[in-house]
Amino acid sequence: DIQMTQSPSSLSASVGDRVTITCRASQDVSNWLAWYQQKPGEAPKSLIYVASRLQSGVPSRFSGSGSGTHFTLTISSLQREDFATYYCQQYNTFPLTFGGGTKVEIK
Amino acid sequence: EVQLVESGGGLVKPGGSLRLSCAASGFTFSDYSMSWVRQAPGKGLEWVSFISGSGDYITYADSVKGRFTISRDNAQNSLYLQMNSLRAEDTAVYYCVRDRIRSGRYGEFLNWGQGTLVTVSS
Repeated sequence: DIQMTQSPSSLSASVGDRVTITCRASQDVSNWLAWYQQKPGEAPKSLIYVASRLQSGVPSRFSGSGSGTHFTLTISSLQREDFATYYCQQYNTFPLTFGGGTKVEIK
Repeated sequence: EVQLVESGGGLVKPGGSLRLSCAASGFTFSDYSMSWVRQAPGKGLEWVSFISGSGDYITYADSVKGRFTISRDNAQNSLYLQMNSLRAEDTAVYYCVRDRIRSGRYGEFLNWGQGTLVTVSS
């Protein structure tokens, strides 16, 4: 199985900060990598697919990059509504696997 | 508007069974692959099972293989998860999830239901 490792597991940031979350795959997943946002008590929301493409309606302050085994999710200017937990997921191979999550908290 | 509404969760004893359902609307159900993804309390996301639009390709996580069965009824626009031999570690919110596009990469998720809670406890 492909292991997905996210770092950091949590971070504290202020509104307006630039935030970067890293996701590493234990083997090459090409660009078959997605990012999700989840707020407490809610279902996950799809943000990014094929590593860098924004889902419709996702603000442009979100961006994704990377390929192979190293990926990043960047929020260029953190907004209050962005405080949430973020997960990466590979869909190169079954079983599909998720990273452990990164919780973005208010400083 | 795409809607996915799960039902069937509840409290069940270890070794018991439960059948989850997901009612889909707002799209041509038979065109899309579907998955179940679960989340234990306070934990991360775990993919459980996948079924293609026609139902001819099915796969499971090792943690549920042999105990859970995914199925779909395209005439009823419904997805199911039959869960047998339930264990405490199966306690989680179970989400019904749709792939992003009709003929895209399997497991590229877009739409999520609100989830249904399954609690396995004596």
